[in-house]
Amino acid sequence: GAVVSQHPSRVICKSGTSVKIECRSLDFQATTMFWYRQFPKQSLMLMATSNEGSKATYEQGVEKDKFLINHASLTLSTLTVTSAHPEDSSFYICSVAGGPSHEQYFGPGTRLTVT
Amino acid sequence: GQQLNQSPQSMFIQEGEDVSMNCTSSSIFNTWLWYKQDPGEGPVLLIALYKAGELTSNGRLTAQFGITRKDSFLNISASIPSDVGIYFCAVLYGNKLVFGAGTILRVKS
Repeated sequence: GAVVSQHPSRVICKSGTSVKIECRSLDFQATTMFWYRQFPKQSLMLMATSNEGSKATYEQGVEKDKFLINHASLTLSTLTVTSAHPEDSSFYICSVAGGPSHEQYFGPGTRLTVT
Repeated sequence: GQQLNQSPQSMFIQEGEDVSMNCTSSSIFNTWLWYKQDPGEGPVLLIALYKAGELTSNGRLTAQFGITRKDSFLNISASIPSDVGIYFCAVLYGNKLVFGAGTILRVKS
């Protein structure tokens, strides 16, 4: 499967600041990337689907102006959490899909803590 | 949205024992997947099932796609300490994955 990296692996930021998380597909041209959020002891919840060169599609209840997604190339998607609040603290995981979307390969995740 | 019912919620077993977990849905799905997540990591795909009734193995893991297309189970034989983690079932819904709530597996050596 594809090798996916995320950066940073952990980040602590102050309330009101913005944080950018990168997701890179290291050996695979990813036309589609997905961003998930996982709260402690819970399952993964899809936030948005990111398509290279076009706008992301957000799931119901996810604010597109708060979670900015940019998928400028086939190997990089970024998620920016704007004006972060403590309730945004979570584990953010990206995945890449190059063919049928069930062939999703996940990154190692980014732990965001907002103080 | 679509919901998967995954059980058990957690298991604490003795090393060497076999493990079984399952997922059910009220809707029909044509692709069922099983992932494992280690602490602080992203999920890793274990087994993918594409055909109703299909039984697929991956080492000590065996998964079956229910004939009704509304359920799947995952078995782990002869568990070892590194089997510890959270196991998620997932289905393909449109072009998206929907995950079950997960089964936490702990192994006592």
